[in-house]
Amino acid sequence: EAGVAQSPRYKIIEKRQSVAFWCNPISGHATLYWYQQILGQGPKLLIQFQNNGVVDDSQLPKDRFSAERLKGVDSTLKIQPAKLEDSAVYLCASSLVNPSNTGELFFGEGSRLTVL
Amino acid sequence: KQEVTQIPAALSVPEGENLVLNCSFTDSAIYNLQWFRQDPGKGLTSLLLIQSSQREQTSGRLNASLDKSSGRSTLYIAASQPGDSATYLCAVQGNTPLVFGKGTRLSVIA
Repeated sequence: EAGVAQSPRYKIIEKRQSVAFWCNPISGHATLYWYQQILGQGPKLLIQFQNNGVVDDSQLPKDRFSAERLKGVDSTLKIQPAKLEDSAVYLCASSLVNPSNTGELFFGEGSRLTVL
Repeated sequence: KQEVTQIPAALSVPEGENLVLNCSFTDSAIYNLQWFRQDPGKGLTSLLLIQSSQREQTSGRLNASLDKSSGRSTLYIAASQPGDSATYLCAVQGNTPLVFGKGTRLSVIA
């Protein structure tokens, strides 16, 4: 079974530029998450989708971050304009059901962003 | 607001030792707790998932326990190997999004 796919693995941009990350979850997984992991910290949830609907985006900085999952499968996360503090690893995860119904999360390898 | 704390932040042990990693959480109203492993520059690999109704889960040399009432979980690693070197994260799922601790960075010295 293929895992969660993410691209690009690495991205270096200058502040105020834009960047987009792509995620393809495990086939059949209805729930998709984007997490931000700053060096030395645990991952922090940015947004959670159930199929193509947003379940939780309370911690997403909506003035600069946006995410979509139009067909309920793959998803993109965009940052525009980027700030220095956005330097982090952006992790995508998926689960068969919402974890509140005991679903296990599976993570991709992440996209490492460096903002100069 | 759920907070997850992991102690110690870093641990270095000689190969072959048994070791315990600790995780505590402030809100005991959780659905499940999950332990993950993260290698440098990599994503998270799920190790064990414990439902709130369970007391422990085992996988190979790993055993995770959960004491929901006291807000604690432990990850026991038996007969540690250099390949176990990684950061171990615990995360709890309740009425809030999955909340992670900062992790314990483990080094197993050959």
